[in-house]
Amino acid sequence: GENVEQHPSTLSVQEGDSAVIKCTYSDSASNYFPWYKQELGKRPQLIIDIRSNVGEKKDQRIAVTLNKTAKHFSLHITETQPEDSAVYFCAASISGNTPLVFGKGTRLSVIA
Amino acid sequence: DGGITQSPKYLFRKEGQNVTLSCEQNLNHDAMYWYRQDPGQGLRLIYYSQIVNDFQKGDIAEGYSVSREKKESFPLTVTSAQKNPTAFYLCASSPEWGQGAHGYTFGSGTRLTVV
Repeated sequence: GENVEQHPSTLSVQEGDSAVIKCTYSDSASNYFPWYKQELGKRPQLIIDIRSNVGEKKDQRIAVTLNKTAKHFSLHITETQPEDSAVYFCAASISGNTPLVFGKGTRLSVIA
Repeated sequence: DGGITQSPKYLFRKEGQNVTLSCEQNLNHDAMYWYRQDPGQGLRLIYYSQIVNDFQKGDIAEGYSVSREKKESFPLTVTSAQKNPTAFYLCASSPEWGQGAHGYTFGSGTRLTVV
């Protein structure tokens, strides 16, 4: 089955700097890659997703890139703010036909 | 609260007891899922249901059971056979199985502690 690896497990950045979180997946048939943000004590919330027919997607300060050949995808957060501090999870699935498989998460701390 | 409700928020289980976690959604979603979250382990799939009266085991189904008698409801029972049940349990739903991927809507979770 699918296996998703996520790095780093913790990340600290200064406010205003960029943060990058990387994930790799094992099943070449996977074609849907969402990212979730989980603030302390709260439920995970979908922040951005990408499908395999697209190489990059942006939404304001957040972007996701996908390299299908290398089987990895990354989350980029620019101009980080303290409210970006949270645990971020990547996930992968075969478009709607398999449940999401999640990475182990990255705890991002933005230092003011 | 977001269309998917989990209860209770906190649950304490004695050794040898079965307990049931509730998950209800009013989003008219076909598919529902149970994940377990442990520190540093991410979200691991326990069971999922594509449609009413159907469900499949996930990666860590041992010691758990589910039912899907109604579209809106997907309760999870943690049995006494689950040796290490202390964890944060998350229920999720998604619109249609096999009709293209969509992000999940998560409930607010139930924290289960063995006492």
